[in-house]
Amino acid sequence: LAKTTQPISMDSYEGQEVNITCSHNNIATNDYITWYQQFPSQGPRFIIQGYKTKVTNEVASLFIPADRKSSTLSLPRVSLSDTAVYYCLVGGANTNAGKSTFGDGTTLTVKP
Amino acid sequence: NAGVTQTPKFQVLKTGQSMTLQCAQDMNHEYMSWYRQDPGMGLRLIHYSVGAGITDQGEVPNGYNVSRSTTEDFPLRLLSAAPSQTSVYFCASSRTQEYEQFFGPGTRLTVL
Repeated sequence: LAKTTQPISMDSYEGQEVNITCSHNNIATNDYITWYQQFPSQGPRFIIQGYKTKVTNEVASLFIPADRKSSTLSLPRVSLSDTAVYYCLVGGANTNAGKSTFGDGTTLTVKP
Repeated sequence: NAGVTQTPKFQVLKTGQSMTLQCAQDMNHEYMSWYRQDPGMGLRLIHYSVGAGITDQGEVPNGYNVSRSTTEDFPLRLLSAAPSQTSVYFCASSRTQEYEQFFGPGTRLTVL
């Protein structure tokens, strides 16, 4: 199982860029890195996924170094509505993929 | 598309009772999974399925059974409910294992 480690919590202010780092030292060759966002009383929602280098979409960027043992989710110019729990998930299309697990996530609090 | 639907939204059971949590998706996804989320914790994988007729255990399978007779449905059965199974249960689906997962709204279960 690819185990992930994230900071338990982070604080930020509106308009700032937020970077959340996830460590996954035993990531397998076939594993992808996926980030989810979860609001209270809701299921997680997909944010972004990557395999290596950098991926960007309309809401976030994902930076993955060459060794792939960590990844950083970057949220540009956060707002109050970005207050949520963010999960890093590592898994892929192999026999262990179905057992990729969520860690405890990072609680991001955005302040006015 | 309705996406991933779960029923019921809330359920209270007595210790020893059995019940089935329903999950259905209308996106023709091959991969489906069940997670439980305890208060303040991340999601833990209970069981998953990579296609109709194929299921496997996740991180915390004890006390739960699943079956996948159709692509659309993936019910979770609690055999003999225990207070330790009090949790929020999320069902998710994805095209295949490595793609983004779509989560249902969750079932909040209390076992007295």
